[in-house]
Amino acid sequence: DTGVSQNPRHKITKRGQNVTFRCDPISEHNRLYWYRQTLGQGPEFLTYFQNEAQLEKSRLLSDRFSAERPKGSFSTLEIQRTEQGDSAMYLCASSLGAQGLFADTQYFGPGTRLTVL
Amino acid sequence: AQSVSQHNHHVILSEAASLELGCNYSYGGTVNLFWYVQYPGQHLQLLLKYFSGDPLVKGIKGFEAEFIKSKFSFNLRKPSVQWSDTAEYFCAVRGFQKLVFGTGTRLLVSP
Repeated sequence: DTGVSQNPRHKITKRGQNVTFRCDPISEHNRLYWYRQTLGQGPEFLTYFQNEAQLEKSRLLSDRFSAERPKGSFSTLEIQRTEQGDSAMYLCASSLGAQGLFADTQYFGPGTRLTVL
Repeated sequence: AQSVSQHNHHVILSEAASLELGCNYSYGGTVNLFWYVQYPGQHLQLLLKYFSGDPLVKGIKGFEAEFIKSKFSFNLRKPSVQWSDTAEYFCAVRGFQKLVFGTGTRLLVSP
């Protein structure tokens, strides 16, 4: 499978615990994005990387959230001191980042569903 | 700031009926527009996209969308839906690098 993969697919945690999610983008895609989706809403942008550089962060990304892409390949999203309001589907997407007809089409992974009890 | 509005939250159709899902966007720059589909239990998949050129865009599975700049619209159409089109459909506009999505339209096609 050469698509975007995310692990774990489901995570149940207690309020106050830390959680970490991983995203593996499509190989040779240099841009990687994180989104959050809650019930009845479309995905909301959290942050994005070009190679290892984090270039934009949404106001949704509070200080408890941190994302890394240390070698420009896979990325991790960590949530510290989870709250019930963090319960959502966390989606990762990647894109080639090249110019042209197929510029920046984002391809999404299956997501990690987080439930905070 | 960019925004996307999808007017129909739930649509129920019978097989072979025609489909049109509304999408209006707000963005002052050059727009890239997308429709994504999420089938039950599956991840978001690209249905079609508009970057430039012909405003009538054809996508997979017989879907098409028309970009009307004067109306800030990018409506999705299909002349004859099938039961397998049951899914949630999201319109999105790309501003800089991020995508801004609408709230989605749940389509149920009854056989």
